[in-house]
Amino acid sequence: NAGVTQTPKFRVLKTGQSMTLLCAQDMNHEYMYWYRQDPGMGLRLIHYSVGEGTTAKGEVPDGYNVSRLKKQNFLLGLESAAPSQTSVYFCASRWGGTGGAYQPQHFGDGTRLSIL
Amino acid sequence: AQRVTQPEKLLSVFKGAPVELKCNYSYSGSPELFWYVQYSRQRLQLLLRHISRESIKGFTADLNKGETSFHLKKPFAQEEDSAMYYCALSSYSGAGSYQLTFGKGTKLSVIP
Repeated sequence: NAGVTQTPKFRVLKTGQSMTLLCAQDMNHEYMYWYRQDPGMGLRLIHYSVGEGTTAKGEVPDGYNVSRLKKQNFLLGLESAAPSQTSVYFCASRWGGTGGAYQPQHFGDGTRLSIL
Repeated sequence: AQRVTQPEKLLSVFKGAPVELKCNYSYSGSPELFWYVQYSRQRLQLLLRHISRESIKGFTADLNKGETSFHLKKPFAQEEDSAMYYCALSSYSGAGSYQLTFGKGTKLSVIP
C-alpha cells in the first residue's frame, strides 16, 4: 500500500500565485490533517477533516482553504501565496474508529513549498 | 489548552552513551502521548505510544502523570538514531475528533 501520498513534492511560487496541494490516502481513514513544519516551530495544524464533506480549522488556518470532496483526498489551497507560507507541508490521516485518542496518525512525505 | 514542551532543541551524545529526550505536557484531561521520529528528509514515523507500553528500536518512554512528563530513553545510542524527535499529545477537539499537539522537536545527534 502507498499509505499517504502527497503531490507535488516541491514547488516554487511567486507571491500572489495560487496553488493546490493534494493528499491522497488508501487506508480508508476517516480523519485527515494538514500541517506545516517550520524550523524551531515543530508541526502546526492548519486544517483537518473528520470525514467526507467536513473540514475544520486548526491552529494556523489563515491564508489556507481545504476541501474533502472524497474520503480518500484532502486538498490544501493557497489562494494568494505569501512568503510567510514558505514551509514544508505534511498531510496525515488516521483511522476513525473507537480508541481515537491513541490511534496514531500516518504521514506523507511532505511538500516543500517556496514562495518568492 | 494543551501544550507540549521539549526543552532541548539539540542533543548530542556519543555512540554507546545513554540518551534521554525530555517531554513535558500540560493537559486537563487524561493524556495520550506519542513519540514520532523524522529521519533526514523523510516523513514522520510513529516511534512509540504511551498506550502500548512497548520498546521500539531500543527506545522506551514512561508516562509520569505526577511530573507531567513522557521522556524518551535509550540505554545505548547508535549512529542511526540521529534524527529529529517529536513528542505529541492527543487531545479531544469535539465531534469525536482528536488532534495531535506537537512539541517543537529535539534534534538528536549521535557522535561516532
